[in-house]
Formats: sequence, C-alpha cells, structure tokens
Amino acid sequence: GENVEQHPSTLSVQEGDSAVIKCTYSDSASNYFPWYKQELGKRPQLIIDIRSNVGEKKDQRIAVTLNKTAKHFSLHITETQPEDSAVYFCAASGWGQNFVFGPGTRLSVLP
Amino acid sequence: SAVISQKPSRDICQRGTSLTIQCQVDSQVTMMFWYRQQPGQSLTLIATANQGSEATYESGFVIDKFPISRPNLTFSTLTVSNMSPEDSSIYLCSVEAGINEQFFGPGTRLTVL
Repeated sequence: GENVEQHPSTLSVQEGDSAVIKCTYSDSASNYFPWYKQELGKRPQLIIDIRSNVGEKKDQRIAVTLNKTAKHFSLHITETQPEDSAVYFCAASGWGQNFVFGPGTRLSVLP
Repeated sequence: SAVISQKPSRDICQRGTSLTIQCQVDSQVTMMFWYRQQPGQSLTLIATANQGSEATYESGFVIDKFPISRPNLTFSTLTVSNMSPEDSSIYLCSVEAGINEQFFGPGTRLTVL
C-alpha cells in the first residue's frame, strides 16, 4: 500500500522568509496530492492540491510542486506570516484509493 | 466546499460505555469517511461509508468496535463501542466533494476515563 513520508517534522522560520515542506510517496499509481493546514483545535483545511498531470500549481503565497519520477511533492510558502503557523499535512491518493496522510510538519513563524 | 457539522463537539465518557458521533452535511455526497487523530498525530482512516452499502474498514479497525451507519446521502454516524482510555482521540468525518477533494468536519474530541 501507499506510504507517505514528510519532512521536516518541525520548522521554524522568521516572518517574511520562505518555508518548504517535502513529502515522498511510494505508490506510482497515486495521482492526487493535497495539502492540509490544521491550526490548534481546528479541523484540517484544504489549502492547495495538485494532480499528476501538472508539475506546479500556485495560489498567491503558496505553491506546490510535483516530481512524479522521484515520487515527491513539496509545499512552498513565501513571505510567511504569523498566521501561517500551524501543522501541515500532505496526502496521496489515486483512483479508488483512500487518502494516506503524512505525519505532519509543525510550522512556527517567528515575528 | 460542503458545510459539515459534527455532534457532539466533545465528550468525556466512562470506560466500557459507547458514544455515537453524528456527521451532517449540507449537500448530498456519495463518499463519507471517518478518521481518528490521536493527540499530536496524523489522520488515520477508520472506514469509508457509502450510502446503501456496508462500511469498508481499514486494517486495524473492526465493525464491532466502530459500527457505522449511513442512512442517507447527507448523514452518517460512528459509534465507539466499549470504550477504553486508548480510544481517547479526535474523531473526524470528511466528505468527498469534487474529484478526490475531501473536506473535514470540525471533529469530536473524546476523552475516556
């Protein structure tokens, strides 16, 4: 079955700097890769996703890149703000396959 | 995205009792999912609940412990049976809206004493 790894487990950046979180997956049949942001005590919120037919997707300060050959995808947050502080989860799924989530990255944006 | 609510939002229960968690969606959805999130951990899928069929459970989860109902396209329940302190966790429902996209309910925080 699918296995998703995520690094780093914790990340601290200065406000205004960029943050990058990387995930690797094992199943080449996976074709959908969402990212969720979970603030303390809140539900996971879908912030961006990418499908296997594209290599990059951007939405304002966040972007996701996908390397199918290497089986990894990354979340990029530019110009970080304190409100970006949260736990971020990546996931992978494919046709008829359930989501498999990574272990999460705790991002702290220091003022 | 769908608007999803869960009841109760939190509960404290005694060992050996059962708790039923409700998940309500504001639109009809085919696929609903139940996840468990233990403190400081990631999300683990318990089961997939499709209307009109038996729930499909993931490895490590069984129907006797986590019975699920899906009576219609907007509602599902998860029961945590014969609870022990190890069942203390956050339980989340999610729905599939669009192609593959999942949206989560607010979660139910369960503490078992």
